[in-house]
Amino acid sequence: NAGVMQNPRHLVRRRGQEARLRCSPVKGHSHVYWYRQLPEEGLKFMVYLQKENIIDESGMPKERFSAEFPKEGPSILRIQQVVRGDSAAYFCASSPWTSGGNIQYFGAGTRLSVL
Amino acid sequence: SQKIEQNSEALNIQEGKTATLTCNYTNYSPAYLQWYRQDPGRGPVFLLLIRENEKEKRKERLKVTFDTTLKQSLFHITASQPADSATYLCALDEPQAGTALIFGKGTTLSVSS
Repeated sequence: NAGVMQNPRHLVRRRGQEARLRCSPVKGHSHVYWYRQLPEEGLKFMVYLQKENIIDESGMPKERFSAEFPKEGPSILRIQQVVRGDSAAYFCASSPWTSGGNIQYFGAGTRLSVL
Repeated sequence: SQKIEQNSEALNIQEGKTATLTCNYTNYSPAYLQWYRQDPGRGPVFLLLIRENEKEKRKERLKVTFDTTLKQSLFHITASQPADSATYLCALDEPQAGTALIFGKGTTLSVSS
């Protein structure tokens, strides 16, 4: 059984370029979450999606960031016009969302470096 | 808003001892509290979930307690091994209040042989 797959593992962008981060959830999971982790900081929630719907984007910056989870294909986190402050590890998690707690399965992350 | 604190940034213990990690939160008690392990360069891995009406949960050498009066969870690793060295994260899970887990910053455990 494949776990959550994220790619690329490492991404280098120059300021002003676009970054696209991809996440394929565990097969059968329809709930996807994106988190950002800065050095010495905890995981910060960004956005929660179900197939074709954004459920909660309260943690996502209002500008330059967007996310989607299409009916077919992986979830995409898109950062336009990247700035140095966007450098971080971005983790995707998926969940089967049972009534017994929201256990999440994480990918290995994408480490974004903005030059 | 809910705040979560893991009291120690780093904890160093000797092999064979019991490691005890602390997680405190400020406001309402969540329906569930979860613990994850994160190794350098990897994503978090789920370890244990405890419900608000459970006092204690065990899994092999791991034990978690949940005290809603103190607003605190303790995470114990007994007979610790160097392979237990990692960062441990606690997370609040409250389906009624929102959809995302609220994570603490983590405690980095180092077990020396």
